[in-house]
Amino acid sequence: GESVGLHLPTLSVQEGDNSIINCAYSNSASDYFIWYKQESGKGPQFIIDIRSNMDKRQGQRVTVLLNKTVKHLSLQIAATQPGDSAVYFCAERERTSYGKLTFGQGTILTVHP
Amino acid sequence: DTAVSQTPKYLVTQMGNDKSIKCEQNLGHDTMYWYKQDSKKFLKIMFSYNNKELIINETVPNRFSPKSPDKAHLNLHINSLELGDSAVYFCASSLWRDSEAFFGQGTRLTVV
Repeated sequence: GESVGLHLPTLSVQEGDNSIINCAYSNSASDYFIWYKQESGKGPQFIIDIRSNMDKRQGQRVTVLLNKTVKHLSLQIAATQPGDSAVYFCAERERTSYGKLTFGQGTILTVHP
Repeated sequence: DTAVSQTPKYLVTQMGNDKSIKCEQNLGHDTMYWYKQDSKKFLKIMFSYNNKELIINETVPNRFSPKSPDKAHLNLHINSLELGDSAVYFCASSLWRDSEAFFGQGTRLTVV
């Protein structure tokens, strides 16, 4: 069956460090991938996305890398700030899935001042 | 302006009751979704509507019935609530399947 991500891991970093959050996916038919940030008591918030015809995409302080060979996705956050503390989810979408997102378990990122 | 809004934010109810959660989006999107997030933070899709038509119906008990009166609204009605229904329910919308989904703030349902 489809599955994305790992059991809920945690990542603790110091303010100013770079953070890397990893995600594995299993559905080779997925052609679209998204990273979401979820703060406590709020809904998932879109960070960045990437299509399967790309292997890297950059946003403001964030970069997503896609390695289709090993079905791996990563989110890099530069100069991590305390406000980046949240749960981060990767999600995938299969071309024929009518918009259905399959989410990973999420990673808890804690940024220490 | 709230893009995707759900009501209520919190809902506490007894087993066996029937309850509804409402969702509205003002983004002009044509596709709306209901996701369920369990106590371990796992997010899973329940339903999706495109222009008021049901297009995704995952393995969800038939006690859950979505209704879309128009493409800006997608409500979720739950009959005969059970303890295991306790979760956070998120509404989301997107411009068909080719773009990111925008999520509401969630409705925390607690069944006692």
